[in-house]
Amino acid sequence: AQTVTQSQPEMSVQEAETVTLSCTYDTSESNYYLFWYKQPPSRQMILVIRQEAYKQQNATENRFSVNFQKAAKSFSLKISDSQLGDTAMYFCAFQTTSGTYKYIFGTGTRLKVLA
Amino acid sequence: GAVVSQHPSRVICKSGTSVKIECRSLDFQATTMFWYRQFPKQSLMLMATSNEGSKATYEQGVEKDKFLINHASLTLSTLTVTSAHPEDSSFYICSASRRGTNYGYTFGSGTRLTVV
Repeated sequence: AQTVTQSQPEMSVQEAETVTLSCTYDTSESNYYLFWYKQPPSRQMILVIRQEAYKQQNATENRFSVNFQKAAKSFSLKISDSQLGDTAMYFCAFQTTSGTYKYIFGTGTRLKVLA
Repeated sequence: GAVVSQHPSRVICKSGTSVKIECRSLDFQATTMFWYRQFPKQSLMLMATSNEGSKATYEQGVEKDKFLINHASLTLSTLTVTSAHPEDSSFYICSASRRGTNYGYTFGSGTRLTVV
């Protein structure tokens, strides 16, 4: 069975600084998808970034980028130039490419951006 | 695009009554919808997966007779909490998968259920 681990329950970062959130996972599959979702206080889940396992190139979306290390089963999220609006819970999610395609979520990291 | 509307956003009901939560994909066909439950400061716990026109698949430990899921069309799935009790109070979230793509699921805005 797949598992997703986020080892940092809480983190804080100064506005305009850079922060990295860690995520590791365990799977025996060779092809899958990985996601980072943001859940602000409104509790709306928002897709931040997506990575396909068969792509070696790390995904980037504006200030958000990932460091995908397939062999190490690591998928960290880097937020550059942090903004107050980045304050939220961040969830790492693993999605299999077979069966129901359901997500397996990590336990989340609560990020607080300080003014 | 890819908007999922979830209603109601908040509901308070009396113990023993039933509550229905709707999840609609507004601008795409959702072949699969997922229902989650989220306790305060915790992650999302998958309750069930529903495919249009077929019975939902429930995760281990989720009572299918208590949490009735219907996915009668490609744009609508409903979760009915039957004979609700205070311990059913929680935040419920749906998500939907667009047919033929895999660009990440779109989530509804969630429903806060309080059973008094």
